[in-house]
Formats: sequence, structure tokens, C-alpha cells
Amino acid sequence: NAGVTQTPKFRILKIGQSMTLQCTQDMNHNYMYWYRQDPGMGLKLIYYSVGAGITDKGEVPNGYNVSRSTTEDFPLRLELAAPSQTSVYFCASADYVETQYFGPGTRLLVL
Amino acid sequence: GENVEQHPSTLSVQEGDSAVIKCTYSDSASNYFPWYKQELGKGPQLIIDIRSNVGEKKDQRIAVTLNKTAKHFSLHITETQPEDSAVYFCAASAGRAGNNDMRFGAGTRLTVKP
Repeated sequence: NAGVTQTPKFRILKIGQSMTLQCTQDMNHNYMYWYRQDPGMGLKLIYYSVGAGITDKGEVPNGYNVSRSTTEDFPLRLELAAPSQTSVYFCASADYVETQYFGPGTRLLVL
Repeated sequence: GENVEQHPSTLSVQEGDSAVIKCTYSDSASNYFPWYKQELGKGPQLIIDIRSNVGEKKDQRIAVTLNKTAKHFSLHITETQPEDSAVYFCAASAGRAGNNDMRFGAGTRLTVKP
């Protein structure tokens, strides 16, 4: 099992550009999450999904969108990138509640 | 909602010494408390967790203690080694379905000097 994979590893965006961060898990987990991690801060939940076709907002959803068409994939879309979205983004999955398995992260720089 | 505070933000110890990281939480409904280790350039990895019906849990050199009355829990690492150097995060959750209520501390950067 590869676990949770994320692409790309690093990306530089210009202000106003859009991009999609990809996340795939091969553990057949129902629950998937997107977090952002800012320097010196803990992880903040952006969006989460409890199963294919079901998504909901977390603590900091503004400026992002998600979709969950399959159990495996949970892409995060940034529209009109802003400098405040410079961060490291982590995708995670869980089989029910509690124990979450994280991907390696995507480092995003918005200039 | 839940608020988790973690101390210290940085911790430096000599190899072989013990390290202790402390967290407090605000939501009395929280009943699940995981600890994650994040190495440079990688995602967080679960190293140990504890549930509210247990006061202490050990796994080799790592232990976690929980005081529900005081709403705090701690990570203890004994006989530290250089490979223990990483950022450690605590978290708290009420274990609701979907687990969207898990909140993380700000992290502790542990450095173990050889």
C-alpha cells in the first residue's frame, strides 16, 4: 500500500492563478481531510469528506473547494490564489473515526 | 469549539535524557488524544494515542498520560536518541463520526543533541 499520496510536492503560483492539489489514498478509507499548516501553527482543517459525494467545511474553508467523486480521490481546488494561501497542505484519511493517516504534503508559495 | 494548547514550543535535550511535552484542551467532551511526530519534509505520523477511559499508556520509550479532571495530557520520551528529533503535535477530539472536530496543538520542536 502506498497509503496517502499527494501531488505536486511543491508549487509556485502567481496571485490570481488557480490550481488543484491532488490527494489519493489506497486504504479504502471513507474519511478524508485537507489541512493547512502555517509556520509555528498547528494543522487547521480546510474541508473534509465522510464518503464519496459528501463533503463539508472545516475551520478555514474560504478560498478553497473540494470534490469527492470516488473513495480514493479528494482533490483540493484553489481559485484566485492569494498570498495568504501560502502554506503547506496535508491530506489525510481515516477508516472510521480518530486515527488519521497523513500524506507527505504539498508546499505552496503564492507570489 | 475545542482549543488545544501545547508547551513548550521548542525543547532541547541531551541524548539519553527524558523529554516531556504538555498539552491542555478546553472541550470536556474530548475523549481521544493522539500524538503525531513530523519529521522534516514529511507528513505527521501517529506515534501513540490515548482514550479517556485510560490514564496512561506506554509503548517502549514513549508514554502518554491523561488527566481528564485538569484537562491536560502529556507525552513522555525516555532515553532520547538523535532520531527522536522532530516536531511533535498533540491533538484532541470528541470522536464524532467524520472526526471533523480534531484540533491540533501548535507543535513542539524537539532537538536531541548527541
